[in-house]
Amino acid sequence: EDKVVQSPLSLVVHEGDTVTLNCSYEVTNFRSLLWYKQEKKAPTFLFMLTSSGIEKKSGRLSSILDKKELFSILNITATQTGDSAIYLCAVLNTGFQKLVFGTGTRLLVSP
Amino acid sequence: EAGVAQSPRYKIIEKRQSVAFWCNPISGHATLYWYQQILGQGPKLLIQFQNNGVVDDSQLPKDRFSAERLKGVDSTLKIQPAKLEDSAVYLCACRGKVYNEQFFGPGTRLTVL
Repeated sequence: EDKVVQSPLSLVVHEGDTVTLNCSYEVTNFRSLLWYKQEKKAPTFLFMLTSSGIEKKSGRLSSILDKKELFSILNITATQTGDSAIYLCAVLNTGFQKLVFGTGTRLLVSP
Repeated sequence: EAGVAQSPRYKIIEKRQSVAFWCNPISGHATLYWYQQILGQGPKLLIQFQNNGVVDDSQLPKDRFSAERLKGVDSTLKIQPAKLEDSAVYLCACRGKVYNEQFFGPGTRLTVL
């Protein structure tokens, strides 16, 4: 059965800190790995990673995929209170394009 | 890219009652997904449509859940009868046209008492 595991489950940091969120996966017919941010409503798309070793970057957020070791990390530098959210990792398979989600990492950034 | 509309936003019912959720992918995307997100967990796929047809409903509890997508646009998800463990947020998603990522509607929060 396809599985996505995220760690840590929750994290509390101070504004300005740098955080690293982890995602490991076991999925047959892997196509891509996606990161989403979820505040009080629907998940919003952050990154899609398909190739190993190529960093995706958007402002203070960046992510990289290692297809050999089957994991990805999401980095957030100079954290702000607005970064407080649940960060979801999901893996997309080929064929029916089904997304399998991890349980998420709950990040709280305190002022 | 256009968004996904869902209604209602909140629903409270008693167990054994019926409930229906509605999703409108405004820009008319061909692929539509329904997910269930229980508190503290990631979203879990219930059913995937490609136009009118069902592509994957392997995790849909078919004894109580049903979904349809008439004319390949709007979709409804129904629960009959509801159980306490159905309390969750029900998310509708469509596949993006640029990156093939899935983007989500605001969800319907269901509470079963």
